[in-house]
Amino acid sequence: NAGVTQTPKFQVLKTGQSMTLQCAQDMNHEYMSWYRQDPGMGLRLIHYSVGAGITDQGEVPNGYNVSRSTTEDFPLRLLSAAPSQTSVYFCASGPTGPQKLFFGSGTQLSVL
Amino acid sequence: DQQVKQNSPSLSVQEGRISILNCDYTNSMFDYFLWYKKYPAEGPTFLISISSIKDKNEDGRFTVFLNKSAKHLSLHIVPSQPGDSAVYFCAASALKYGGSQGNLIFGKGTKLSVKP
Repeated sequence: NAGVTQTPKFQVLKTGQSMTLQCAQDMNHEYMSWYRQDPGMGLRLIHYSVGAGITDQGEVPNGYNVSRSTTEDFPLRLLSAAPSQTSVYFCASGPTGPQKLFFGSGTQLSVL
Repeated sequence: DQQVKQNSPSLSVQEGRISILNCDYTNSMFDYFLWYKKYPAEGPTFLISISSIKDKNEDGRFTVFLNKSAKHLSLHIVPSQPGDSAVYFCAASALKYGGSQGNLIFGKGTKLSVKP
């Protein structure tokens, strides 16, 4: 039972570098989303998808891109990393919508 | 402007006693509420939820109470155990409106410490 798998677990980037955070789920969930968690800020929604080929912006989308070519995968791309993107990133999925989300174990990203 | 507020960053309780975690919300459109539990270096895990048509939902040692008029919900853990020590997030959704309104809005979390 893999559930929601995120890779990598840790990443250090230099300002201006780009990278992709991977997220895969094996539960055939239609809904997938990306959150970031910052100290004292709770979880904030970056992007979400209600099915393959459909994505939309959340609360804090700037500097991030997503795509959903398959039901299973929902990668998050940082186009040009900035120190403000230093955070812990969580991918989550839900059977039909954002209720009762299943979260991955997170990616800790540091941008120097 | 925070739509979901958890005003207590931390709470310390003795093992065996009751833990009460509080959450306030401002958006009258919210109709579905959840509590998530998070251990360090892990993702949040779903704990319990409640729809706005109810005022109480119980699951074992965990009970969530909803007071719609006060826009307030609380999570009761009885009896508290050391393994309950974690960060608890309150989340809300305007589920019936669908679309982006249905997305979960999280509070900042309350760190619960249960002392043996």
